Amino acid sequence: ETGVTQSPTHLIKTRGQQVTLRCSSQSGHNTVSWYQQALGQGPQFIFQYYREEENGRGNFPPRFSGLQFPNYSSELNVNALELDDSALYLCASTLEGGVYEQYFGPGTRLTVT
Amino acid sequence: AQSVTQLGSHVSVSEGALVLLRCNYSSSVPPYLFWYVQYPNQGLQLLLKYTSAATLVKGINGFEAEFKKSETSFHLTKPSAHMSDAAEYFCAVSARSHDKVIFGPGTSLSVIP
Repeated sequence: ETGVTQSPTHLIKTRGQQVTLRCSSQSGHNTVSWYQQALGQGPQFIFQYYREEENGRGNFPPRFSGLQFPNYSSELNVNALELDDSALYLCASTLEGGVYEQYFGPGTRLTVT
Repeated sequence: AQSVTQLGSHVSVSEGALVLLRCNYSSSVPPYLFWYVQYPNQGLQLLLKYTSAATLVKGINGFEAEFKKSETSFHLTKPSAHMSDAAEYFCAVSARSHDKVIFGPGTSLSVIP
C-alpha cells in the first residue's frame, strides 16, 4: 500500500473525446509524475509537477496536460483522444526532503475505441 | 540523456534456482538506478534503488543488485526463486533526485514449479 490512489480504475472513451484522470497522494508529497504504459512496454514519462508547476516533460504532444493542486491531488487531461492513447496511466508521488523514492498508484486503464 | 536496456524480454527459472535479470544503462551523469516489480493489473513496487552509496544494494523479498560503473550494469539477482516472484520487472534510471525516471522495456519472469 503506497498511499497513492487513482481514479477511475478503468474507462472507455471514443476517439476524439477528452478524458481527465485523477491521482491523490499523501501529505508532503510535493512532486507528482505521470507515466503512460502501453501493453507489454515499460512506462513512458509524460510530465512532472512540483508545487503546482510543471518542471519536466517527456516526448508527448501538448494535448496531454496536467494540473497539481495544493491538497496533493493532481489531474492528467488528454484531449482529442487517439487509438494509440489506449494504455495504463500511472501517477507517482515523491516525498519532499525524503530519500528519493517514487510511490506509484495502481493506475487507470484507458481504452480508446 | 538516460536510457535503459534489459536483455531478455522473458526469463524462466525453476523454483529454488538463481534469478538473474540483466540491466544496462546509459547516463551522461552519475545515475540513480532502480528496480521495480509489477504484478498483473497493479502499479509498480520499488524493489531496490542505488543512489551513489554502496554498490551492492539489498532490496525487498530477497532481491539484490550490484552497480558496476565499468560495465554500466545494474543486474538484479535472487539466490532462490519463489513462485510468488513471477511478475514483470523493470529497471529504471534517473539523472538525479526528483528527476524524471526512464524505464526499460521490462523482463517477464516465470517460475516453473
